[in-house]
Amino acid sequence: RKEVEQDPGPFNVPEGATVAFNCTYSNSASQSFFWYRQDCRKEPKLLMSVYSSGNEDGRFTAQLNRASQYISLLIRDSKLSDSATYLCAVRGGSSNTGKLIFGQGTTLQVKP
Amino acid sequence: DAGVIQSPRHEVTEMGQEVTLRCKPISGHDYLFWYRQTMMRGLELLIYFNNNVPIDDSGMPEDRFSAKMPNASFSTLKIQPSEPRDSAVYFCASSLHLGGYTFGSGTRLTVV
Repeated sequence: RKEVEQDPGPFNVPEGATVAFNCTYSNSASQSFFWYRQDCRKEPKLLMSVYSSGNEDGRFTAQLNRASQYISLLIRDSKLSDSATYLCAVRGGSSNTGKLIFGQGTTLQVKP
Repeated sequence: DAGVIQSPRHEVTEMGQEVTLRCKPISGHDYLFWYRQTMMRGLELLIYFNNNVPIDDSGMPEDRFSAKMPNASFSTLKIQPSEPRDSAVYFCASSLHLGGYTFGSGTRLTVV
């Protein structure tokens, strides 16, 4: 089983739709969680951190469910420019480890 | 802030040749990471450094791969000898403490 798993999609949605992605992780002692966005042939860019209480940034909402070991990303009112691959990342169980483990990514295609 | 700078952007080399990838992290960042991305395996962590010291190289695929960080502003990833299966995009990333990473633009390596 992979440490971090995502549904690769693609998710094809119309403009204005609400779409949600989930990401599961296997290490129950994981400390930190992030969502990254990667455009085609570009580097991943940090979209948002995921906090225990959930957090929102404009149209984007991230949530953490420690009991079920998953994080989610909700995008409201999808724009054409939201089309990209969304990667979740999880920092390992030891408080001293710096490394992030990435999921394979979920591809979103927003259509007019 | 110039961001994380990687060179070269593209590298095409023949099997058996030595390849050296370079990275300049963001000034003041104390962590540096080398990742490899392929369609099949996604983003894989190869090695990371904290304050120029290698912390975890368990992701380095084999002895053909080596990485150094002689000072806080420079790191190299070397492959010798290169093989076609090393073809991938290699990303360098840096972070301040255990925050989110900033990635460089990557080096697209093709070994023929």
